[in-house]
Amino acid sequence: ETALTQSPGTLSLSPGERATLSCRASQSVSRSQLVWYQQKPGQAPRLLIYGASSRATGIPDRFSGSGSGTDFTLTISRLEPEDFAVYYCQQYGSSPTFGQGTKLEIK
Amino acid sequence: EVQLVQSGAEVKKPGESLKISCKGSGYSFSTYWIGWVRQMPGKGLEWMGVIYPGDSDSTDSPSFQGQVTISADKSISTAYLQWSSLKASDTAMYYCARAPLTGDLYFDLWGRGTLVTVSS
Repeated sequence: ETALTQSPGTLSLSPGERATLSCRASQSVSRSQLVWYQQKPGQAPRLLIYGASSRATGIPDRFSGSGSGTDFTLTISRLEPEDFAVYYCQQYGSSPTFGQGTKLEIK
Repeated sequence: EVQLVQSGAEVKKPGESLKISCKGSGYSFSTYWIGWVRQMPGKGLEWMGVIYPGDSDSTDSPSFQGQVTISADKSISTAYLQWSSLKASDTAMYYCARAPLTGDLYFDLWGRGTLVTVSS
């Protein structure tokens, strides 16, 4: 089973700043089978990025994903107030797993 | 509207059985994998398993094998998550979610969750 480690655990930034979230896999993730979700308190997760770098339907272009192999990154170019939430990566190889999450909080 | 509607919150005692449901609407239920995700209080997401309602093929996470049963009834567009003997550690929010038509095992549509509380 591929373990995913997200860093940092908590990221404190201000609106307008750039956020960079990391997701590292314990073994190579084939065919960039990695997604990112956003979860706000009391809500279900929402798909942001699939295939490591493709935005899901309706996701603003300030969200971007990159990476391959074992290292993946979610970047939010200019933080809006509604972006403060918890972000999870997930690999969808033969035995899918989630990372433990990064909480993006207002500084 | 394309949506997944989950059954309501449950409060159970240890040792009791439980079956929660997830009804899909607005799309061809039989042709999309549908899965379950656990979120314990204040914790992260855990991938439990998926089922293909068209033929009931399923894949479970090693962490949940033998602990729960995932099933589906395509005739009523409903998936289920079942426990035969609940434990206090099963207390969590359970989300059902749909995988995309490609069959890749991530989720592009989510239900609102069913809160399961197990307490004596």
